[in-house]
Amino acid sequence: TQLLEQSPQFLSIQEGENLTVYCNSSSVFSSLQWYRQEPGEGPVLLVTVVTGGEVKKLKRLTFQFGDARKDSSLHITAAQPGDTGLYLCAGGGGTSYGKLTFGQGTILTVHP
Amino acid sequence: EAGVTQFPSHSVIEKGQTVTLRCDPISGHDNLYWYRRVMGKEIKFLLHFVKESKQDESGMPNNRFLAERTGGTYSTLKVQPAELEDSGVYFCASSLGGTFTYEQYFGPGTRLTVT
Repeated sequence: TQLLEQSPQFLSIQEGENLTVYCNSSSVFSSLQWYRQEPGEGPVLLVTVVTGGEVKKLKRLTFQFGDARKDSSLHITAAQPGDTGLYLCAGGGGTSYGKLTFGQGTILTVHP
Repeated sequence: EAGVTQFPSHSVIEKGQTVTLRCDPISGHDNLYWYRRVMGKEIKFLLHFVKESKQDESGMPNNRFLAERTGGTYSTLKVQPAELEDSGVYFCASSLGGTFTYEQYFGPGTRLTVT
């Protein structure tokens, strides 16, 4: 069974601070997706990384896929209140084609 | 382009009753997935359709759950009879085939409450 351990579970910071969310597994994934979910809505895809060591940037968000494709991180620079939400990592492929294995999620609160 | 839609958004039923959830994927997406999040747990995979065929149903909890995708378009997930532990949010997702299979786009979910 593939598992993704996401940490931290909760993060409360002040506007302007930097933060990093981690997603770790003992399994290899073919791809790693990061989603953001707002209350009452479904997860919204932010980025997909597929190559070991890959780094992608989306404005103030930087996503990295580990060299061995077992871990990933999301770094937010100068967080803003609008970044508040639930962030989810999800691994695809590996031993199970198509389906995604989700982490538990990180609830981020950015205070003005 | 319309996103993934799900109906109903909420459903409250009594234990033993039947409920049918519907998902309309993004037009042209061959892959359709059902996931579920129960209280306090991570989102978990239920099953995967490629067009009208079940590719992987390893996540289906038991035979009270029946998923169909007639004609390879919309899908339904029926729970019969519903039990208390079936409560949760059911998400549907869809994706293109080939190398974009892993880029799954989610619907808003159906919140099911079994009392």
